[in-house]
Formats: sequence, structure tokens, C-alpha cells
Amino acid sequence: AQSVTQPDIHITVSEGASLELRCNYSYGATPYLFWYVQSPGQGLQLLLKYFSGDTLVQGIKGFEAEFKRSQSSFNLRKPSVHWSDAAEYFCAVGVVSNFGNEKLTFGTGTRLTIIP
Amino acid sequence: GAVVSQHPSWVICKSGTSVKIECRSLDFQATTMFWYRQFPKQSLMLMATSNEGSKATYEQGVEKDKFLINHASLTLSTLTVTSAHPEDSSFYICSARQGYGGYTFGSGTRLTVV
Repeated sequence: AQSVTQPDIHITVSEGASLELRCNYSYGATPYLFWYVQSPGQGLQLLLKYFSGDTLVQGIKGFEAEFKRSQSSFNLRKPSVHWSDAAEYFCAVGVVSNFGNEKLTFGTGTRLTIIP
Repeated sequence: GAVVSQHPSWVICKSGTSVKIECRSLDFQATTMFWYRQFPKQSLMLMATSNEGSKATYEQGVEKDKFLINHASLTLSTLTVTSAHPEDSSFYICSARQGYGGYTFGSGTRLTVV
């Protein structure tokens, strides 16, 4: 079965510093990969997604992610974080179930705290 | 862009009563919608996949008689928590799929059962 691992439960970064959030997946075929951000008490907002093609994906709010098949990873990066980036970040993989339906499997999330 | 409206954003109900949560795709038709449950500081767990005009597909361990899902139109899916109990208190989030790999999430519903 597919799975997504986000090794870091909580990360603290200084404002203006660079950021990398880790995501590893397990899936038998080439996955569809997503990064979402969630503010407290809110739904999820899509930051970026990878389906195929260029393995470096640009997203909104200055985020990017790189798909590395050899490492089964899809790490999220941002060169300079802003206080407004403080939130929960979820990596997800899109898989096709036995019924032929597509669905998302989420990682456990990484909480990002920004300090002045 | 695609917008999904989820209502209500929060609800408090008494134990034993039923609560209905609505999920609407405002500017697109969604043949497939998804319902998730999220416990505090945890990830989203898929409860069921809702397909317009057919029965929902529930994930293993989810009680279909407790969590009734109806997807009567291409823009509306509802989740009814029947005979709610305190352990059903949680954050429920819906998602609508627009095309392959295009998921838009609602803003969630905080359910508290007292």
C-alpha cells in the first residue's frame, strides 16, 4: 500500500532563513505528488503538485519542490520564509485504488514555526 | 479558481442528535467528492469517496450507517453524522475533484458533541 512519510513533526525557522520540508513516499508506480498548507482551523490550500515532466516544480507563495525518483522524495523548499508561512504543511500522494478511483494519501504533516 | 464551500464552519450538538455538513463546488461540477476527518495535530484520514448519483465508497473501519453521505447533484455532497457522540467530535473536511489530480478543499467543519 502507498504511504507518505514526513519525518519532521515540527520545524522552527528564523524569518528570512531558508526552509526545506522533507517528504518521502512509497508507491509502486510514478506517483502524483502534492504539497498543501493548512492554517489553524482552516482547510487545505494547494502549494504545488507534480505529475510528470520537469522534476523541479514551482508553486505559489515562492515555494518549490523537487521530485527525486531515486530517493522517493518530494521535498518542499523556500529560499526565504516570512512570518505568514507559519502553518501546517502536508505532503500527499495521489494513488489509484483497486476500484480504479483516484484518492489522496496524506503524510502526518510538519508544523512550521517562524521566529523573528 | 475552483472554490469549494463547506457549511457550517463549526457546530455544537447534543449527544444522540444528528448533524449535516454540506460541501458545495461553487464554480465547477464535481463528479467525485471526498470526506476527511482530522483529529487535533494529526493528518487527514479519508473517510469516504462520494460519487454523484451512486453510493459512497467508505474506507475500511468507517461506519457507513453513522456517517451518511449523499451526493445528489454535481455540485453538492452532504455528510450526516447520525446519533452523534462525543467521540465523533472532530474536524471534518471535504474535497472536490475537478479533473484528474485537481483537488479543491473546503474550509472544514469543527464538530463538537456535548
